[in-house]
Amino acid sequence: QSALTQPASVSGSPGQSITISCTGTSSDVGGYHYVSWYQQHPGKAPKLMIYDVSDRPSGVSNRFSGSKSGNTASLTISGLQAEDEADYYCSSYTSSSTWVFGGGTKLTVL
Amino acid sequence: EVQLVESGGGLVQPGGSLRLSCAASGFTFSNYWMHWVRQAPGKGPVWVSRINSDGSSTNYADSVKGRFTISRDNAKNTLYLQMNSLRAEDTAVYYCARRGYNILTGYYTFGMDVWGQGTTVSVSS
Repeated sequence: QSALTQPASVSGSPGQSITISCTGTSSDVGGYHYVSWYQQHPGKAPKLMIYDVSDRPSGVSNRFSGSKSGNTASLTISGLQAEDEADYYCSSYTSSSTWVFGGGTKLTVL
Repeated sequence: EVQLVESGGGLVQPGGSLRLSCAASGFTFSNYWMHWVRQAPGKGPVWVSRINSDGSSTNYADSVKGRFTISRDNAKNTLYLQMNSLRAEDTAVYYCARRGYNILTGYYTFGMDVWGQGTTVSVSS
C-alpha cells in the first residue's frame, strides 16, 4: 500500500492554469476509474473536488477538472484564484479493496 | 444539514486502547459505506478502514490490521473505530468520511464526499 506519487509543490499566478499529477500503478490508478482529488486548507478537513477521475460534486467550481492516462491521474485548475491556495491530495481505490492517498501537493498562488 | 461529528480522541499510553465514535445526521446513514481516514501532524491523509452499509464487510490498511476494528450501529446512526495495541505512529487526527453519492445518476461513487471535523489521538508515555 505505497502512497501515490505527487509533486511536493506547484505554483501559478492568478488567472493561470496549473496541473497536478498523481502516479500510481496498474493495481490502483491504472486499474480503476476511481481516482478522487481533495483540497485541504490548514486546520480543515479534506474537501472532495473530483471523484471517479473526472466528475465534480455539486458546488465545486468547473475550474477544477480531472483526467487519467495509464497509471497517472491529473488535476487541472484553471483561472487560478487566491482561495485555491491549499494542499491537494489524490486518492485511488486499489485491487486489495483498500484506498490509497497521495503524499500531497502544496499549491501556491503567487 | 449533512454532518459527521467524531469524538473519543485523547491521550493514551503505548499499548493502550481507545474507541472513536462518529455521529451521523442529515442523511440515511444505513445506506452508505463509511471510512476512517487519519492524518499525522504535517503529513497527508492515510486511509485506515472501510465498512459497508450493513456492517457485514470491512477492509483495513495493513498498518492497523489486527489492531483496529471498524463497526457501526445503524439504529444509532453511529460509526466506531476500536483501536487496540496503540503505537506512537498511530498519533494523528482521525476523520470519518462518507462514501460519495451522485444525486443526478443515483449511483454511489468511490470518493469520500462528507468528512467530519476530526478527533485527535495522541499515543505517548
